[in-house]
Amino acid sequence: GIQVEQSPPDLILQEGANSTLRCNFSDSVNNLQWFHQNPWGQLINLFYIPSGTKQNGRLSATTVATERYSLLYISSSQTTDSGVYFCAVAPFYGGSQGNLIFGKGTKLSVKP
Amino acid sequence: DTAVSQTPKYLVTQMGNDKSIKCEQNLGHDTMYWYKQDSKKFLKIMFSYNNKELIINETVPNRFSPKSPDKAHLNLHINSLELGDSAVYFCASSQGQGRVDYGYTFGSGTRLTVV
Repeated sequence: GIQVEQSPPDLILQEGANSTLRCNFSDSVNNLQWFHQNPWGQLINLFYIPSGTKQNGRLSATTVATERYSLLYISSSQTTDSGVYFCAVAPFYGGSQGNLIFGKGTKLSVKP
Repeated sequence: DTAVSQTPKYLVTQMGNDKSIKCEQNLGHDTMYWYKQDSKKFLKIMFSYNNKELIINETVPNRFSPKSPDKAHLNLHINSLELGDSAVYFCASSQGQGRVDYGYTFGSGTRLTVV
């Protein structure tokens, strides 16, 4: 099945710093989403981005589907950005478009 | 007004028991899901369900069964609970299956502990 690899696995930032999280996937996808799991366990959908670029405040994401990767940018990080960031995809061929395969996540800690 | 609500939030039970977790969504979404998050934070799909189709992850033991009384509800029943079933279970919903999907909304999770 499709493989989803996220890097780095852990990231520690000083408040105000910028960061880039990467998601590589092993096959063509028709669904890609980024999620943030906060320290209380809540999973929040950040972006639905199977291709192209989107921005939402200090966060932006870019997916280059032909090269099978997606990037999540966090600018001017805040302590509330801490948590685990997950990339999830659904393969283009086979399976269901809605059934997402999750990467192992990037754990982000933002220090004040 | 919670979009996807799960109950209970915490569940502690003994091995061998049967338990249920309830999930309701008020978003009008077509599809609902159950995911399991293990102790290493890995999320894995268990089921997806819409009005027409139940898709079961083949690795899920048949002790787990989803039950959907209507489009807004997808409950998870677990029989003969085992220690390895301890995890956080997330319900989610999305609009679209087989057409454009605009993203998941997750519930807040149910932490199941089997003792």
